[in-house]
Amino acid sequence: GENVEQHPSTLSVQEGDSAVIKCTYSDSASNYFPWYKQELGKGPQLIIDIRSNVGEKKDQRIAVTLNKTAKHFSLHITETQPEDSAVYFCAASRYNNNDMRFGAGTRLTVKP
Amino acid sequence: DTEVTQTPKHLVMGMTNKKSLKCEQHMGHRAMYWYKQKAKKPPELMFVYSYEKLSINESVPSRFSPECPNSSLLNLHLHALQPEDSALYLCASSQVTGLAGGISTDTQYFGPGTRLTVL
Repeated sequence: GENVEQHPSTLSVQEGDSAVIKCTYSDSASNYFPWYKQELGKGPQLIIDIRSNVGEKKDQRIAVTLNKTAKHFSLHITETQPEDSAVYFCAASRYNNNDMRFGAGTRLTVKP
Repeated sequence: DTEVTQTPKHLVMGMTNKKSLKCEQHMGHRAMYWYKQKAKKPPELMFVYSYEKLSINESVPSRFSPECPNSSLLNLHLHALQPEDSALYLCASSQVTGLAGGISTDTQYFGPGTRLTVL
């Protein structure tokens, strides 16, 4: 089955700096890669996703890149704000499979 | 509207109690999921329903019993739980689309979860 590794486990940045979180996956058939943000006491919220036919996707301050050859994908947050502080999870699945696997999570702290 | 609702928000139960968790979505999604999340861990898949039929059971103990009465509702019936079952239980839903020869699921949207404590 799919195995997703996520690094780093914790990340602390100054407000305004950029943050990068990296994930690798094991199943070469995986073709859908979402990123979720989870705030304390809440459910995961989708922030951005990417499919295997695309190498990069951007939505305002958030971008995701995918390298299918190396089987890794990354989340980039620019101009970080204190409200970006949360736990971020990457995930991977096959588009024709309900079985989505999560990385272990990254706790991001943005210091004002 | 991408809202998935879950009730109750919090639940405390004894090991001999029977209780149910409820999940509802009105996005027309035909796949619904139950996940279990322990503190500081990622969500772990428990069950998947596709078109109201159980399609994945990740070897979950029988003290957890899922039910999908219709396309908008998903229940999780709890009986004789153990203290180690205390966790955040998350429900999610997604579109199901038919691609050439197969069924595909799309982005999963999560509810806020039910915080379960078993005494």
